[in-house]
Amino acid sequence: AQSVAQPEDQVNVAEGNPLTVKCTYSVSGNPYLFWYVQYPNRGLQFLLKYITGDNLVKGSYGFEAEFNKSQTSFHLKKPSALVSDSALYFCAVRPQTGANNLFFGTGTRLTVIP
Amino acid sequence: ETGVTQSPTHLIKTRGQQVTLRCSSQSGHNTVSWYQQALGQGPQFIFQYYREEENGRGNFPPRFSGLQFPNYSSELNVNALELDDSALYLCASSRGQITDTQYFGPGTRLTVL
Repeated sequence: AQSVAQPEDQVNVAEGNPLTVKCTYSVSGNPYLFWYVQYPNRGLQFLLKYITGDNLVKGSYGFEAEFNKSQTSFHLKKPSALVSDSALYFCAVRPQTGANNLFFGTGTRLTVIP
Repeated sequence: ETGVTQSPTHLIKTRGQQVTLRCSSQSGHNTVSWYQQALGQGPQFIFQYYREEENGRGNFPPRFSGLQFPNYSSELNVNALELDDSALYLCASSRGQITDTQYFGPGTRLTVL
């Protein structure tokens, strides 16, 4: 069965500091991995994805994520946090075979403190 | 913005009623997926339509049904509404390849009283 774990419900970081939002996954076979962000009363906005190739993926708004197969992790990172990065972040996984849908984690609320 | 639109934005219904939610996919996309996001939870997959055919279904009862039209827009129908159906309903469109990104609309907030 496919699953995604986001172990931290809440992450607080000071503006200008690096941020990390953690994600681990469980999937049969190789995964496709995604990060989305959700602002209040909005849908999900795509940030980045890992399909194959380089383990470090760069995405929108300065975000990046590193795929670690041995640790089954796909942590989201940004070198310098902005107050406007405060939002709800979701990690999602899709197995390479089978259903073409996303399995989401429960989300991590990021608060960037000015 | 993604180009995926949903209507209505908000909806209030009572238990036992029926509801239809609508989604227009992004230009060039032939696949629509529907998700339910309960308060404080991640989105849960309801079903997906690819070229007007159902192409996978999550763990939702048959009273959740859908359609996709020739222009690839889609409807989600829920019969016999229950209180637990209160949620944000999200649709996402994509080109249908398994590596493709799903782009989400703003959602419809359904409240069942």
